[in-house]
Amino acid sequence: SYELTQPPSVSVSPGQTASIPCSGDKLGDKYAFWYQQKPGQSPVLVIYQDSKRPSGIPERFSGSNSGNTATLTISGTQAMDEADYYCQAWDTNSYVFGTGTKVTVL
Amino acid sequence: EVQLVESGGTLVQPGGSLRLSCAASGFTFSSYAMHWVRQAPGKGLEYVSGISSDGGSTFYANSVKGRFTISRDNSKNTLYLQMGSLGAEDMAVYYCARTYYYDSGTSPFDYWGQGTLVTVSS
Repeated sequence: SYELTQPPSVSVSPGQTASIPCSGDKLGDKYAFWYQQKPGQSPVLVIYQDSKRPSGIPERFSGSNSGNTATLTISGTQAMDEADYYCQAWDTNSYVFGTGTKVTVL
Repeated sequence: EVQLVESGGTLVQPGGSLRLSCAASGFTFSSYAMHWVRQAPGKGLEYVSGISSDGGSTFYANSVKGRFTISRDNSKNTLYLQMGSLGAEDMAVYYCARTYYYDSGTSPFDYWGQGTLVTVSS
C-alpha cells in the first residue's frame, strides 16, 4: 500500500520559515493536500492541489510538489500556526494520509 | 454555512456494533461524495470509508472491510457508518468529511465534522 512519510516534529522561531516535507513514491505525479489540526479540533484544509490556498487561509501558507516530495511552507510563522500538519494524496482508489508533523513555535 | 455534525459515538464492548451518523447542511448533499476518517487517541489520521454522491459506489480500508458498512440517505442529508465486530483497534474519533469527486485525486476533504468518539472497552 502507498505510504506518505513526514518528520514527527519541526521547530521554528516566531517570524521564521517552517518547511514540512512529505515523502512518497512518485508523489510529484499526484496532487498533494495539506491539513492543519490544532489540539481538540478537526482538521482544516490549508493547501489543495499541491499549492492552492482555500479561501480564508493566510498567504504565509504555501505548497510545492515535485519528484518524491511535497512540501508545506509556512513563512513568517506565528504562534497560532502551532499545530499538527498532515499531507494527503490519492493512490489506487484510496486516500492516504501522511504520518503527521507537529510544528512547535518556540 | 456548511455543517457536518456527527453523532452516535459511545462506549461499546469488544465484539459489539454501533452506527454513526453525520448530518449535513448548508450545501447540496447529493452532489458530494462523503467519507469517514478516524483518529485513534494520540495518533494520526486514517482513512476508513467513502461513498459516491449517489451511493452507488463505496470503498473501505482493508482494516475495516467486511466489518463496516457505509451508506447515505440523500433525502435526509445524512451519512452513516455501520460498525461491527469492534475491537480496541477501532477506538478513535470518527470524522465525516466531504469531497466533490468520489474516486479522484483532485478533490480535497474541504469540510470536516467535529468528530464523534467511539470507545471500545469491557
